[in-house]
Amino acid sequence: AQSVAQPEDQVNVAEGNPLTVKCTYSVSGNPYLFWYVQYPNRGLQFLLKYITGDNLVKGSYGFEAEFNKSQTSFHLKKPSALVSDSALYFCAVRDPNTGKLIFGQGTTLQVKP
Amino acid sequence: NAGVTQTPKFRVLKTGQSMTLLCAQDMNHEYMYWYRQDPGMGLRLIHYSVGEGTTAKGEVPDGYNVSRLKKQNFLLGLESAAPSQTSVYFCASTTLADLQETQYFGPGTRLLVL
Repeated sequence: AQSVAQPEDQVNVAEGNPLTVKCTYSVSGNPYLFWYVQYPNRGLQFLLKYITGDNLVKGSYGFEAEFNKSQTSFHLKKPSALVSDSALYFCAVRDPNTGKLIFGQGTTLQVKP
Repeated sequence: NAGVTQTPKFRVLKTGQSMTLLCAQDMNHEYMYWYRQDPGMGLRLIHYSVGEGTTAKGEVPDGYNVSRLKKQNFLLGLESAAPSQTSVYFCASTTLADLQETQYFGPGTRLLVL
């Protein structure tokens, strides 16, 4: 069975500092990995995805993620955090046959001025 | 192009009442999904559909039914609402014609069951 885990319920970062939101996965076969962001009282917005190719994936709003096959990780990163990045972030793995997404439990990112 | 829309945005039900949540997409997507979001549990798949006239159970299907009579619409029904169904419900759609396509989410429906 496919699964993802986000080990941190909350990550606190000062504005201007780099941020990392962690995600590890467990899949059989090649992983299709996604990051989504949810702002308060809003739906989920797609940030980036890894299907194949370069291990460093660049996405929206200056975010990027590093795929590490040996560590089965797909951590979300940004070089310089903004207060407006404060939101709930979800890592997900996709079933390639049905398109179903299996989500992690989410990590709240708090960026303080 | 409205994307994925959900109706209603918010609803309060009493235990035992029934209701239907409507999801509509105008992107001609074959695949549609219903998720529920609860604190600390991420999003969990309730039911999904891989095409008009077909539905399948997800991770947490009990207490819910769905129908996909038209390609653009995916209905989620609660026949007898329970307090445990208090949640935020999200609909999503995608196409697997291109495996790199992502899912597009609606804005959500907040449901409170008293």
